[in-house]
Amino acid sequence: QQQVKQSPQSLIVQKGGISIINCAYENTAFDYFPWYQQFPGKGPALLIAIRPDVSEKKEGRFTISFNKSAKQFSLHIMDSQPGDSATYFCAARDASNTGKLIFGQGTTLQVKP
Amino acid sequence: KAGVTQTPRYLIKTRGQQVTLSCSPISGHRSVSWYQQTPGQGLQFLFEYFSETQRNKGNFPGRFSGRQFSNSRSEMNVSTLELGDSALYLCASSLSSKNNEQFFGPGTRLTVL
Repeated sequence: QQQVKQSPQSLIVQKGGISIINCAYENTAFDYFPWYQQFPGKGPALLIAIRPDVSEKKEGRFTISFNKSAKQFSLHIMDSQPGDSATYFCAARDASNTGKLIFGQGTTLQVKP
Repeated sequence: KAGVTQTPRYLIKTRGQQVTLSCSPISGHRSVSWYQQTPGQGLQFLFEYFSETQRNKGNFPGRFSGRQFSNSRSEMNVSTLELGDSALYLCASSLSSKNNEQFFGPGTRLTVL
């Protein structure tokens, strides 16, 4: 019940295309859902986050879509660029378990020029 | 504002030894969480400290321990190292235990031979 399932494991997109990464969870106590971007040799960097009281959040080319009833959320990267090539992690936080993030397994995105 | 810093960045140890890793959070942040990242298990929560107190602990053996100092700096210790402890150890800081945004450091790459 503490798991966050992320798909796909890897993704190849052409420059200018839309990259979509999906996550699903079971624990209805999760109340915060961030996405992190990680480049090789670096720590994860917070990209965008959403709470379950909104269905969508957009920041620049990055959009989170949230479906509370389906217990799913996704990251959309519009106009994907080669510089977006990285590993992306979704995560979730249990409201009763402060400070602990449960991470998905990660998606390696490659954007081809 | 300086980000989260971790020292050392790389470490090579042999089985049976112990190791201490250090993390300095972003100035003003009082909560520090530690994560282990491996290719097989992904990002897994180790523990969280706030105001020098351990607030949360992941599912790791007692060989993994940590502490936090009055200036919010944190250390984690792994005793009796095993080959499987080879990983990237990441520290994340946030303003408080209830604050959701966690900012990660670059990590310490530990190799156990």
